[in-house]
Amino acid sequence: GAGVSQSPRYKVAKRGQDVALRCDPISGHVSLFWYQQALGQGPEFLTYFQNEAQLDKSGLPSDRFFAERPEGSVSTLKIQRTQQEDSAVYLCASSERGLAGSFADTQYFGPGTRLTVL
Amino acid sequence: AQSVTQPDIHITVSEGASLELRCNYSYGATPYLFWYVQSPGQGLQLLLKYFSGDTLVQGIKGFEAEFKRSQSSFNLRKPSVHWSDAAEYFCAVVTSGGSYIPTFGRGTSLIVHP
Repeated sequence: GAGVSQSPRYKVAKRGQDVALRCDPISGHVSLFWYQQALGQGPEFLTYFQNEAQLDKSGLPSDRFFAERPEGSVSTLKIQRTQQEDSAVYLCASSERGLAGSFADTQYFGPGTRLTVL
Repeated sequence: AQSVTQPDIHITVSEGASLELRCNYSYGATPYLFWYVQSPGQGLQLLLKYFSGDTLVQGIKGFEAEFKRSQSSFNLRKPSVHWSDAAEYFCAVVTSGGSYIPTFGRGTSLIVHP
């Protein structure tokens, strides 16, 4: 069975460019998380979706970051006017249940997108 | 706020030796605790998790972890390390007070010598 996939795997952007990162969760998974992982650090929470509803975006570092999951499956993380400090690996994870059970469910992670901003 | 500390940035062991990776958390109530492994170029994979009950938890790939409330610790162990265990290991905590957002430690890099 397919796991969580992310594309592109690597993205190089010039400072100021906009980028879009895609996440395909496991089919049928209700919860979807985005994380940012800086070099040498653990993942840090960015935002959470339950189906198509973005229930928590408290981890988004600025209003240049925007995420959507319009049909409750594929999600896109968009970063506008990229800055060098945006360079990181962006991880997506999905889990089977919605909010009430998501804290206990196993999160399945994708391989991540490594973003380098020059 | 909850926090997770992994005091060892790097651990080097010989193949066949035993392993213990340390994890300490800061939270008043009993948290939900997780260990993940991340191989180069791959996403995180869950090794094991603790919610309640038996404080010794068995996971995949021969790993186990023990929850010690008195020490606020959840250390990961393996009796005999294989070269394929070389990877980055992350401890994570989710509070039981209704939050669903995990807090991860900074990770411990395991190096295995032949």
